Amino acid sequence: DGGITQSPKYLFRKEGQNVTLSCEQNLNHDAMYWYRQDPGQGLRLIYYSQIVNDFQKGDIAEGYSVSREKKESFPLTVTSAQKNPTAFYLCASSQTGGNTEAFFGQGTRLTVV
Amino acid sequence: QKEVEQNSGPLSVPEGAIASLNCTYSDRVSQSFFWYRQYSGKSPELIMSIYSNGDKEDGRFTAQLNKASQYVSLLIRDSQPSDSATYLCAVNSVKTSYDKVIFGPGTSLSVIP
Repeated sequence: DGGITQSPKYLFRKEGQNVTLSCEQNLNHDAMYWYRQDPGQGLRLIYYSQIVNDFQKGDIAEGYSVSREKKESFPLTVTSAQKNPTAFYLCASSQTGGNTEAFFGQGTRLTVV
Repeated sequence: QKEVEQNSGPLSVPEGAIASLNCTYSDRVSQSFFWYRQYSGKSPELIMSIYSNGDKEDGRFTAQLNKASQYVSLLIRDSQPSDSATYLCAVNSVKTSYDKVIFGPGTSLSVIP
């Protein structure tokens, strides 16, 4: 089945620790996105990528990093520089960019302990 | 002005009524518009996409687009308790020359049995 897989579903991070969230898609989509959602809030764009080896900062990129070495993979690293990382992280992909429908993975819920 | 704005909620309607959800956007060159439904604790799922002025119907859902007014809406007919969720409006944005998807803050809908 085609889709977007995020892992893990739940993740706990200690203070000062970097963690990496996985996002894999087998839809053959060119564009991939990372969003952050806080309780009762909308989706805020962290990073997006329209093609392999290219990505752009979104509205809240500070404290995060990404890579796009393969078309199907777009991992997000939450670094220790992100002071308030507890949130619901959503990965999405679309065929060619913002003009095409985006589909989401099931999300990763990150908690700082 | 925020790029995508939605009518503030929560919105409550009785079962069987019509729910009306509204969205305005700031980028005049946006061409693609999407409505997503998000249940609590889950990832967003695509309901409708609309690209041309006018109405687009899919079952109980009707999306309406007016590019001149920079306005898009979603009507849900015969509302059911299972429609209770947060509805997210999304718009493509090319302000930075990279085509990406921007989400509104969402409107919470509660359908009362």
